[in-house]
Amino acid sequence: EVQLLESGGGLVQPGGSLRLSCAASGFNFNAYAMSWVRQAPGKGLEWVSGISSASTTYSADSLKGRFTISRDNPKNTVYLQMSSLRAEDTAVYYCASWRGHYFDFWGQGTLVTVSS
Amino acid sequence: EIVLTQSPGTLSLSPGERATLSCRASQSVSSNYLAWYLQKPGQAPRLLIYGASSRATGIPDRFSGSGSGTDFTLTISRLEPEDFAVYYCQHYGGSPVFTFGPGTKVDI
Repeated sequence: EVQLLESGGGLVQPGGSLRLSCAASGFNFNAYAMSWVRQAPGKGLEWVSGISSASTTYSADSLKGRFTISRDNPKNTVYLQMSSLRAEDTAVYYCASWRGHYFDFWGQGTLVTVSS
Repeated sequence: EIVLTQSPGTLSLSPGERATLSCRASQSVSSNYLAWYLQKPGQAPRLLIYGASSRATGIPDRFSGSGSGTDFTLTISRLEPEDFAVYYCQHYGGSPVFTFGPGTKVDI
């Protein structure tokens, strides 16, 4: 069974940093691209960042320079390093396995709240 | 950049009824790059349909997707109680760029 378990969310002050983790199991993690998708409270879905199986990284244009995705294949884990956080970054952040044109499995999400 | 519009915003139906959800793209897109997700309250989204019409693993055949060009449809042939949720369409625009529609809420 595929499982994606996010962690690392919490309350952070504006301008602060946070690193999210997503531990994967139940599939060949090394062979899969992974992504982060976020959802602000009461809002829709927004793609944040993705990383290929070869560790090529991609980010939404609106977030470039502030968020960095990475992966540790031996640990079956993907990370999202977030810096210069703003109130508008407040959201549930989902980790998802990325199958080319869509996201086939999703974690339960971790809430990031940016507030003073 | 492709913009996705979903209609209606809310669809009020009863169990057993047929639901027809629309997703319209601001310009013609490849049907290979259109997916649908379901999200229940407090839960993560779940992939329903990819490539406009292919059901994801484990998705019951009451869910079907169709369409091409700018107009795509998700049909639920007979609503079950667990189908009342928010449905999102999503387009892959290369580069990569992923765009989600604003969602359609199906409620009782």
